[in-house]
Amino acid sequence: GQQVMQIPQYQHVQEGEDFTTYCNSSTTLSNIQWYKQRPGGHPVFLIQLVKSGEVKKQKRLTFQFGEAKKNSSLHITATQTTDVGTYFCAGPHAGGTSYGKLTFGQGTILTVHP
Amino acid sequence: DSGVTQTPKHLITATGQRVTLRCSPRSGDLSVYWYQQSLDQGLQFLIQYYNGEERAKGNILERFSAQQFPDLHSELNLSSLELGDSALYFCASSVGPTGGQFFGPGTRLTVL
Repeated sequence: GQQVMQIPQYQHVQEGEDFTTYCNSSTTLSNIQWYKQRPGGHPVFLIQLVKSGEVKKQKRLTFQFGEAKKNSSLHITATQTTDVGTYFCAGPHAGGTSYGKLTFGQGTILTVHP
Repeated sequence: DSGVTQTPKHLITATGQRVTLRCSPRSGDLSVYWYQQSLDQGLQFLIQYYNGEERAKGNILERFSAQQFPDLHSELNLSSLELGDSALYFCASSVGPTGGQFFGPGTRLTVL
């Protein structure tokens, strides 16, 4: 079945440092989605990338979708303590009996030290 | 606030019991998804409904069942509960059958 892997599993940074998490899928994805879950909270949808090679920015966050649509990255510039949480990528199946199913990566837990 | 509501927030029950978790999607969303999140398994997709019909199934146990009602709210029924069923159960919704999903606050189930 489809697998979505994320690295690193944990990342500790000093406030102000940059952070990147990488996501790799075993299959080509129709799109990739990113979510953030604060400690004790629920996953919050951040963005969806659809096109090969797509790059999108949200303030200090930059999201990329690979040319082959099998990998993606999330980069945070100058981290702040409010960036603390777990960042998940997720890829949907397309068609067949798994249509609509979203496979989540295991997440990257980001800790920001002030 | 995502607009997705889930009740109850916490549920403590005993092994062998049956519980029902309830979810109301965001206004206008036709798709409802159920997920289980535990420390060792991460976020696991259970099942999806779209406009009342089952659309996709994940590794949902036979002891678990779900449905989506005409008013689009959904219920997840967990029966013959085991200790290992203790987890956070999230409901999410989206406008269409795919696309970004909006999660509810979750129901924390503890099976003693």
